[in-house]
Amino acid sequence: GQQVMQIPQYQHVQEGEDFTTYCNSSTTLSNIQWYKQRPGGHPVFLIQLVKSGEVKKQKRLTFQFGEAKKNSSLHITATQTTDVGTYFCADSGTYKYIFGTGTRLKVLA
Amino acid sequence: GAGVSQSPRYKVAKRGQDVALRCDPISGHVSLFWYQQALGQGPEFLTYFQNEAQLDKSGLPSDRFFAERPEGSVSTLKIQRTQQEDSAVYLCASSLAFAGVGNTIYFGEGSWLTVV
Repeated sequence: GQQVMQIPQYQHVQEGEDFTTYCNSSTTLSNIQWYKQRPGGHPVFLIQLVKSGEVKKQKRLTFQFGEAKKNSSLHITATQTTDVGTYFCADSGTYKYIFGTGTRLKVLA
Repeated sequence: GAGVSQSPRYKVAKRGQDVALRCDPISGHVSLFWYQQALGQGPEFLTYFQNEAQLDKSGLPSDRFFAERPEGSVSTLKIQRTQQEDSAVYLCASSLAFAGVGNTIYFGEGSWLTVV
């Protein structure tokens, strides 16, 4: 079946450094959504990408959808301690929402 | 309510015990989902309801798992004869519209189940 992998699995950064997580699907994605899950919390919707090559920004967060719609990335500029958590991508092309393996981000003050 | 509410938040069950997990979705939300999230993993789909109809239960791991939403609002996920491998966070999510491509889903805080 479809697999959605994310790299890296873990990332520790100093506060102020940039961070990027990559999401790769074994099949072409219709849409992709990104979620953030704080430690002990639940996934919270961040954004959805639909078009090939689409780039969306939310303050310090930049989301990109690959040209072939098989990969996506989330880049955070100048990380803050509030960015701590696990970031998941999800194939939202069907209602089953196939979630990626997640990237756990730790920000060291 | 303001958000998706789940209870209990934490449950410790002895192996072989039956458990019931409750989900109260956002008022008026048609679609309701159950996901299972193991430690360090992403959420995995269990089942989907559209109002009271269970349209997909393909993700339920075994026949020990049963979900219902009899009046199209509150849902209960029941696990019979719990096993240690059932230990996970069980997330409920709801969506305003009929489930389709790209709908935003809202997760509850989850029910953390530990089977000892």
